[in-house]
Amino acid sequence: KQEVTQIPAALSVPEGENLVLNCSFTDSAIYNLQWFRQDPGKGLTSLLLIQSSQREQTSGRLNASLDKSSGRSTLYIAASQPGDSATYLCAVKNSGGSNYKLTFGKGTLLTVNP
Amino acid sequence: NAGVTQTPKFQVLKTGQSMTLQCAQDMNHNSMYWYRQDPGMGLRLIYYSASEGTTDKGEVPNGYNVSRLNKREFSLRLESAAPSQTSVYFCASINRGGGDTQYFGPGTRLTVL
Repeated sequence: KQEVTQIPAALSVPEGENLVLNCSFTDSAIYNLQWFRQDPGKGLTSLLLIQSSQREQTSGRLNASLDKSSGRSTLYIAASQPGDSATYLCAVKNSGGSNYKLTFGKGTLLTVNP
Repeated sequence: NAGVTQTPKFQVLKTGQSMTLQCAQDMNHNSMYWYRQDPGMGLRLIYYSASEGTTDKGEVPNGYNVSRLNKREFSLRLESAAPSQTSVYFCASINRGGGDTQYFGPGTRLTVL
């Protein structure tokens, strides 16, 4: 059974700092990995999706990497801003079988202080 | 283009009452999902529908039923609500032809007393 772990559970940084959020998964046979952002009381917004054949994806100040063999992904946020404060979740979709389902981590709560 | 919409946004039920959570998407997606989100538990899949006319159980299906009414709509029904079903419920859909990005609705906050 796929398990997804995110460390740390919470992170507080000063504005302007570069930071890395970590995601690990137990079964390396994944189809893709997705990073989401969730603001308080809101739904999830997709940030980046990395296919299993890719090593990284970039969008603006965000860069997500994937190392399938070691079961790890990182989300790098450059020059953090208070508006980046949110919970960040990663989710993996397994390859093969019923590959319609995502397995989510519990998220990292990020606070960026002005 | 509204994306994924859910109704109601908030609901309070008494134990034993029934209700249906509605979800609709206007992105022509084939696959739709219902999740619940609880503190410390993360997001857990309740049911999903890979395509119109099919539904399958997820991780925590007990106490719920679903209906894929058509390609746009996927409803979740609680027949006899229990306090353990107090949660935030999210509907989602996947653009399977466009990289499998999953799109979420804003959620329904349900309290069962």
